[in-house]
Amino acid sequence: EAEVAQSPRYKITEKSQAVAFWCDPISGHATLYWYRQILGQGPELLVQFQDESVVDDSQLPKDRFSAERLKGVDSTLKIQPAELGDSAMYLCASSLELADYNEQFFGPGTRLTVL
Amino acid sequence: KQEVTQIPAALSVPEGENLVLNCSFTDSAIYNLQWFRQDPGKGLTSLLLIQSSQREQTSGRLNASLDKSSGRSTLYIAASQPGDSATYLCGIIGGKFQFGAGTQVVVTP
Repeated sequence: EAEVAQSPRYKITEKSQAVAFWCDPISGHATLYWYRQILGQGPELLVQFQDESVVDDSQLPKDRFSAERLKGVDSTLKIQPAELGDSAMYLCASSLELADYNEQFFGPGTRLTVL
Repeated sequence: KQEVTQIPAALSVPEGENLVLNCSFTDSAIYNLQWFRQDPGKGLTSLLLIQSSQREQTSGRLNASLDKSSGRSTLYIAASQPGDSATYLCGIIGGKFQFGAGTQVVVTP
């Protein structure tokens, strides 16, 4: 069964270091989402791509976060420099198209701990 | 701004009992609603998707209903099992995806 892949699964870093997360969506899925989930809360959308274009990055802290999907397939989310408050689960999801009725499928997530 | 609430935050039931999980939202102009399951430290697993034109959706022991006029969705899980223990989240699309904080469910043998 097709799945969304993410790596690494766990990342421990020190404050002020740079970190990067990778996501490979389900083959053929045009829309890709990055979410941040703080323990005990629901996921919060950070950025949404349609193919290689950013559709929504209104909640992305652009002073330290960046995201790209250069060839419209896999994607990288970067944090530089990392802060203590960035400790969270980072989830990637994909859906077939941008249409709002399309089901989202999530990857296993990357658990980030900033020391 | 859309607000999504899931009450209760936690629920414990004995095995075999039916589960009823609630999701409330403030803006009825939604496109669809999706129910997810999340195991500790893991990603989200999609359970059911209800489009805005639908009233309910069923899959095996799971049934989800949607009442846009009252801003509510309910997920029913029949004959609960210990393996159903997880956190259940609802997500709403109406402009952008908005999640509730989830209901943590424990099914005791």
